[in-house]
Amino acid sequence: ETGVTQTPRHLVMGMTNKKSLKCEQHLGHNAMYWYKQSAKKPLELMFVYSLEERVENNSVPSRFSPECPNSSHLFLHLHTLQPEDSALYLCASSQGTGTSGMHEQYFGPGTRLTVT
Amino acid sequence: RKEVEQDPGPFNVPEGATVAFNCTYSNSASQSFFWYRQDCRKEPKLLMSVYSSGNEDGRFTAQLNRASQYISLLIRDSKLSDSATYLCVVNTPGGSQGNLIFGKGTKLSVKP
Repeated sequence: ETGVTQTPRHLVMGMTNKKSLKCEQHLGHNAMYWYKQSAKKPLELMFVYSLEERVENNSVPSRFSPECPNSSHLFLHLHTLQPEDSALYLCASSQGTGTSGMHEQYFGPGTRLTVT
Repeated sequence: RKEVEQDPGPFNVPEGATVAFNCTYSNSASQSFFWYRQDCRKEPKLLMSVYSSGNEDGRFTAQLNRASQYISLLIRDSKLSDSATYLCVVNTPGGSQGNLIFGKGTKLSVKP
């Protein structure tokens, strides 16, 4: 399935490195999301973009910086990360905006990040 | 009380068994509900949305009880391929996109 793709699939980086995660959706959706999934914790929403405007930032540290150049692409720029940031980072997209109605999200395969 | 709470399991059942998962949510203003399935080291995938009247998709039945703030998923005639973690997901008002809150998931292992 190639509805939502993410690159790279695996990333190992040092605490002083700068890297970027990329997400692309081919579903014609107008909202995109970044989630973090750590071991034995539920998915944590990090950022939401709707029509390329950021609408949610759930108290995420500034060492994570999102970018949404258009409705199909989403980036997560990483710098000076900490070992506790090691996790699976998932991108998702959905159709529709607002709080009413169903808005199923479709996930990419994730980037497994290890910070050393 | 956690926003979305699930029994973590694991549920170990034989093939052909019927198994039920429960989920409770704390925000009575929650508007939409889903079950996702996540295989080991893979992304979550939408299994089914949960409608007020309850809905069925093959061997899977989802129920919603708004009064008790409770959602359930029933799997009949379990298959080996049903082994996965099942995530209860609730859409609660907040922000312009609402907010999908994920439970920690219930792990199911179906044995031959």
